[in-house]
Amino acid sequence: ETGVTQTPRHLVMGMTNKKSLKCEQHLGHNAMYWYKQSAKKPLELMFVYSLEERVENNSVPSRFSPECPNSSHLFLHLHTLQPEDSALYLCASSQDTRSILYGYTFGSGTRLTVV
Amino acid sequence: DQQVKQNSPSLSVQEGRISILNCDYTNSMFDYFLWYKKYPAEGPTFLISISSIKDKNEDGRFTVFLNKSAKHLSLHIVPSQPGDSAVYFCAASENRDDKIIFGKGTRLHILP
Repeated sequence: ETGVTQTPRHLVMGMTNKKSLKCEQHLGHNAMYWYKQSAKKPLELMFVYSLEERVENNSVPSRFSPECPNSSHLFLHLHTLQPEDSALYLCASSQDTRSILYGYTFGSGTRLTVV
Repeated sequence: DQQVKQNSPSLSVQEGRISILNCDYTNSMFDYFLWYKKYPAEGPTFLISISSIKDKNEDGRFTVFLNKSAKHLSLHIVPSQPGDSAVYFCAASENRDDKIIFGKGTRLHILP
């Protein structure tokens, strides 16, 4: 266990489906993040939550909808996605949003394929 | 436009020798720099960081060097071990609570 657990590990969904990605951390961290890694591209920040409040939305389309019900759980709700949204979605956490020099703890990611 | 560039997609190094991974950046406002390591089917793991007030930070076999005037940083691994074979990401941020910008990564192969 890395301390940040993501489920499912793999997901195939149609363009009309609705699905959710789940992230859970048991590290007592107060900040959580969603990142996207597309093929041959750098990791891109999608959303940042600090103490369950969204503090960053990095121009992400509305077909991606995050939810942070408490400081241990983070969801990414998906609906009417496009094939180009196929990517590895990574969740991360940190003690707070200012702990940058101590690094983030990442989960293993969800490999999403949109068909 | 990439602000953090890792121009070598891959690098092969003999076990026991020094591995040097390079990273260039274009944003002179970056003040915090990090290296992450990623194995297949796992998320990135944090390795080492440095702030712009320093030019070197060392942690065991890993040393990060920062040259602000050249907008260049490097990660030295010595001696290289088989378990070091992974993808290494360079990352940077302007402020402590600003978003982290990642490079595309360099795949390091440690040869027996």
